[in-house]
Amino acid sequence: AQSVTQLGSHVSVSEGALVLLRCNYSSSVPPYLFWYVQYPNQGLQLLLKYTTGATLVKGINGFEAEFKKSETSFHLTKPSAHMSDAAEYFCAVSDLKAAGNKLTFGGGTRVLVKP
Amino acid sequence: EAGVTQSPTHLIKTRGQQATLRCSPISGHTSVYWYQQALGLGLQFLLWYDEGEERNRGNFPPRFSGRQFPNYSSELNVNALELEDSALYLCASQRGRSSYNEQFFGPGTRLTVL
Repeated sequence: AQSVTQLGSHVSVSEGALVLLRCNYSSSVPPYLFWYVQYPNQGLQLLLKYTTGATLVKGINGFEAEFKKSETSFHLTKPSAHMSDAAEYFCAVSDLKAAGNKLTFGGGTRVLVKP
Repeated sequence: EAGVTQSPTHLIKTRGQQATLRCSPISGHTSVYWYQQALGLGLQFLLWYDEGEERNRGNFPPRFSGRQFPNYSSELNVNALELEDSALYLCASQRGRSSYNEQFFGPGTRLTVL
């Protein structure tokens, strides 16, 4: 079975500082990988995804993530945090061995941005 | 283009009752996924409907069921409610079945079981 681990349930960063959110996955085959953001009282919004090809993926709002197969990781970064980045972030994998697009999510990382 | 909509926004029930949650997908999307986001348990896959059929379900008891209508909207039913069913239920729609396609999420229905 697939699993996703996000290191750190809470991360606090200063405005303008680097944001680094860690995600490691367990899968027998390289899966599709996703990062979603959830603002309070809202659903999930896709930040970026990795399917195949270039391992450095750029997403919306200045975020990017790098797929490292050897480390089974897909860490999310943003060079300079903005107050509007305060939200909860979820890493997810898609089970390519199953029909459809069932997503398995990590536990989430809540980001607090300090002025 | 209208996004995924869910109703109601909030739902309060008591133990043993039944809850019905509704989801309207984005126009042109045929697949609907349901996820449960419970405190302490994270986001878990519940059910997948495509072209009117249940195609996959997560590790949930049979009292969690649903259906998809000809217009691709979907309904999630939870029977014999238990306290631990209290959660945010998210619906997502997708164009087709491919894992390559993005799932678009609705704002969720918050179910509280008293």
